[in-house]
Amino acid sequence: DTGVSQDPRHKITKRGQNVTFRCDPISEHNRLYWYRQTLGQGPEFLTYFQNEAQLEKSRLLSDRFSAERPKGSFSTLEIQRTEQGDSAMYLCASSLSSHEQFFGPGTRLTVL
Amino acid sequence: AQTVTQSQPEMSVQEAETVTLSCTYDTSESNYYLFWYKQPPSRQMILVIRQEAYKQQNATENRFSVNFQKAAKSFSLKISDSQLGDTAMYFCAFSAGGTSYGKLTFGQGTILTVHP
Repeated sequence: DTGVSQDPRHKITKRGQNVTFRCDPISEHNRLYWYRQTLGQGPEFLTYFQNEAQLEKSRLLSDRFSAERPKGSFSTLEIQRTEQGDSAMYLCASSLSSHEQFFGPGTRLTVL
Repeated sequence: AQTVTQSQPEMSVQEAETVTLSCTYDTSESNYYLFWYKQPPSRQMILVIRQEAYKQQNATENRFSVNFQKAAKSFSLKISDSQLGDTAMYFCAFSAGGTSYGKLTFGQGTILTVHP
C-alpha cells in the first residue's frame, strides 16, 4: 500500500519533553498538510508545504512547534517542551496540487 | 476567516433508509470549495464528495449527494440506501480557491450510526 503513513502511531510523553512525528506522503504528491484533532472535534489546520517550501502556518502553531519537509519528501513535526494541552491526534495529509487530500492514520500524542 | 458549523452532533438511521446531515458555513470568499469527509472509527479520513462553489449543479457520488444552497451558505449531505459501513464521523469542510486551495477548515463533525 502506498498511502500516507505516519510514525509513530501513538506517543506518550511527560510534560516538558520534546517529541517528533514523521509523515511519509504518497510519493508523487507535492503538497503536504499537518492538522491537529482533539477528541470529538474536527481537525484544525496547522501548516502546509508545497514541495520543500512551508507556505503557511496557523496561529495555532506556537513557537514550540516546528515543521520541516527536507527535499520535498517526508515531513517532520516537532513539539518542544510539551504541555498537556498538546495532547491530540496529529494528522498528515498529502495531495497532488489542487486535487484530493489523502490522510494518514494519525499520531496520537498523550502528554502526562 | 471561514467558519463551518455542523449543528447535529449525532444522527442515526436504519439500514437502507435515507439520512441528511446538515452543514452551514460563513465566508467572504467568492471562489471556494466544500467537502464532506468520512472518518470511520479508528480509521483514516476519506473524501466522500466535493462541490465547487461556482457550479450550480449539486455533486453526486453514487449513494451520496449534496444540496448546495449558495445564498443560504448551506451544504447538506444526503446518504441514500444507508449501509452499516456508513457508520462514521462525518465532517463538512471548506477550502478557499486559488493559492489557498487545500487548507481545510472543518466543522465539529456529526456521528452517524446506521442500525441494522
